[in-house]
Amino acid sequence: EVQLLESGGGLVQPGGSLRLSCAASAFTFSDYAMAWVRQAPGKGLEWVSDISGSGTNTYYADSVKGRFTISRDNSKNTLYLQMNSLRAEDTALYYCAKKRGATGGALEIWGQGTMVTVSS
Amino acid sequence: EIVLTQSPATLSLSPGERATLSCRASQSVTNYLVWYQQKPGQAPRLLIYDASNRATDIPARFSGSGSGTDFTLTISSLEPEDFAVYYCQQRWNWPVTFGQGTRLEIK
Repeated sequence: EVQLLESGGGLVQPGGSLRLSCAASAFTFSDYAMAWVRQAPGKGLEWVSDISGSGTNTYYADSVKGRFTISRDNSKNTLYLQMNSLRAEDTALYYCAKKRGATGGALEIWGQGTMVTVSS
Repeated sequence: EIVLTQSPATLSLSPGERATLSCRASQSVTNYLVWYQQKPGQAPRLLIYDASNRATDIPARFSGSGSGTDFTLTISSLEPEDFAVYYCQQRWNWPVTFGQGTRLEIK
């Protein structure tokens, strides 16, 4: 069964940093693009970032550009999101998701999410 | 940025009834429109991709239609487990955007 398991969330002060991880299993990780999507408490879904299967191409929402970095280690079947200069408005449940193709597609499989709280 | 507007915000129906959810894009997304279902405390689940293709294991009562700027998700006969929030998403261009969601509640 395809699974995605996020980790690395927690409480951090404004201006701080966190690195989220997403461990993938039961599929050929490098064959698929991946994404991070977040959901603030009680709110809707917000796309954060995408990365192609090879890791060559990355894309970011304007709200995180310059502060967040998506990456992947295909040898470890793991997706990352490095989050710097965190703000209160970054508080959300962060989901990683597998896309249907190597370069794009719908978000086919989702993890259960890891909570990030930015507060002093 | 492409804005997706979902309507209605809340839809109150009874089991067995037909549900029709709408998603309108601020500019054409051709057929690159996706629908997700989210239940409380759960991650979203892919229902329909590229406007009209059911994802794996999605029941046939779910169908999607539309192209360009106007899209519809139809649930032909509501089951108790279908009451949830539904989101549309466009993947035509960057940034990827989601609609604000339609809450489907039991009447």
